[in-house]
Amino acid sequence: DSGVTQTPKHLITATGQRVTLRCSPRSGDLSVYWYQQSLDQGLQFLIQYYNGEERAKGNILERFSAQQFPDLHSELNLSSLELGDSALYFCASSREQGAWETQYFGPGTRLLVL
Amino acid sequence: AQKITQTQPGMFVQEKEAVTLDCTYDTSDQSYGLFWYKQPSSGEMIFLIYQGSYDEQNATEGRYSLNFQKARKSANLVISASQLGDSAMYFCAMREAQGTDKLIFGTGTRLQVFP
Repeated sequence: DSGVTQTPKHLITATGQRVTLRCSPRSGDLSVYWYQQSLDQGLQFLIQYYNGEERAKGNILERFSAQQFPDLHSELNLSSLELGDSALYFCASSREQGAWETQYFGPGTRLLVL
Repeated sequence: AQKITQTQPGMFVQEKEAVTLDCTYDTSDQSYGLFWYKQPSSGEMIFLIYQGSYDEQNATEGRYSLNFQKARKSANLVISASQLGDSAMYFCAMREAQGTDKLIFGTGTRLQVFP
């Protein structure tokens, strides 16, 4: 158990809908990252927050947004869902920023868009 | 641009044997971190081992060791005394000190341990 929690574990929804994925980082970790794992794209970085502020963006679609709250938990909002958004979405956290910091991953949320 | 290459889509190893999973990387940065993660069939990503670009010793964590050859830009994972529970996907990843903190992942190697 990495100490990072994600809810829900599974999500099935329809095209055009909106969902929210939630992540609680490990106790004391300030940095939260979101990744998407799909069969065709592999593991891709979406976005990073550090202590409530957005720090970096990757290949995140405009239909997707995220935030980190004062208690450091984070939410990833996916809207106008398409079939291609079906993937495993991971949240990861690290104590600080930097190349030396290990990112610990949550169990993931498996999203299926029908 | 930073890139991670894992050329072995699948590997087989017999229980109790050692196995090496290959990883090469490309970066123009002098400071970077290299990571290995394990993803069992249940889906979670489990951190295994870390190597910093300035570390002179190869990293070890229990049965896992990292064979770091900086000049060759390789960071191979060695699993000693394989166990059936080691069957999983293994991902090599890198973070550069410059730029963002994102992890760049390879495509992974599926390891199957047989009795």
